Amino acid sequence: GAGVSQSPSNKVTEKGKDVELRCDPISGHTALYWYRQRLGQGLEFLIYFQGNSAPDKSGLPSDRFSAERTGESVSTLTIQRTQQEDSAVYLCASSLAGGRTQETQYFGPGTRLLVL
Amino acid sequence: ELKVEQNPLFLSMQEGKNYTIYCNYSTTSDRLYWYRQDPGKSLESLFVLLSNGAVKQEGRLMASLDTKARLSTLHITAAVHDLSATYFCAVESRYNTDKLIFGTGTRLQVFP
Repeated sequence: GAGVSQSPSNKVTEKGKDVELRCDPISGHTALYWYRQRLGQGLEFLIYFQGNSAPDKSGLPSDRFSAERTGESVSTLTIQRTQQEDSAVYLCASSLAGGRTQETQYFGPGTRLLVL
Repeated sequence: ELKVEQNPLFLSMQEGKNYTIYCNYSTTSDRLYWYRQDPGKSLESLFVLLSNGAVKQEGRLMASLDTKARLSTLHITAAVHDLSATYFCAVESRYNTDKLIFGTGTRLQVFP
C-alpha cells in the first residue's frame, strides 16, 4: 500500500478486557516497530521486528503485552487484561531495513486506545 | 541508557520570527532524526542526520548535528502558522541500533 496502515483507528474497552491492534507495513519494508505515546508525551519504544530474526521485545512494559508478525507483513499487538494506564496512542512504523543500516521509519496513523 | 532531551518543551512565537529547538542526547550516536506531528495525526519524517557536522534544510527549517557535543538543533526561519506542530528528535544508539529513543517533543505554536 501507499503507507503504513493501522486498525482500528480508535478502540474503547473496559478494564480487564483483551485488545488486539493491527499494523500493515509498507510493502517491502522488512523492519517493523511498535511505539506507545501517552497523552502529551513522546514515543516509547515497545518492540521491533526485523525479517525472520527474533524480535527485540525489550520495550514491552509487562507480560500483558505481546506482539507477533507474520513474515514481513502484518503485525498484531495484543494487550491482555487491559488497565487504565494502557490508554494511549499505539503507533506502528516500518522501514526498509533495521539495525546498522536503519532507514527512516514511516509511521502509521496510530490506534487510540481508551481503557475505561 | 540513552536519554534524549529537548528544549524548550513549549514554544509560542510570532510569525516572521526565528527560533531554535535543541536536542541533547546522553550517549554516542551517529544518527539523529527529526519528526513533525500535527495534532491528532501521526509522525512525519523531516530530516535524517547521519554524520558529525551534517546540515539539512527544507523550506524554513534547518537541522544540524554535532556528534561531539551530542547536540542537534532545528532552526526555524521566519516562522509561519503552518509550522505549528510538535517536533520530535529521535536518536539511534550506536550500541543498540535496533531502536530509536525519542525526545519529549517541542510543541510549537506560531501566531500572527
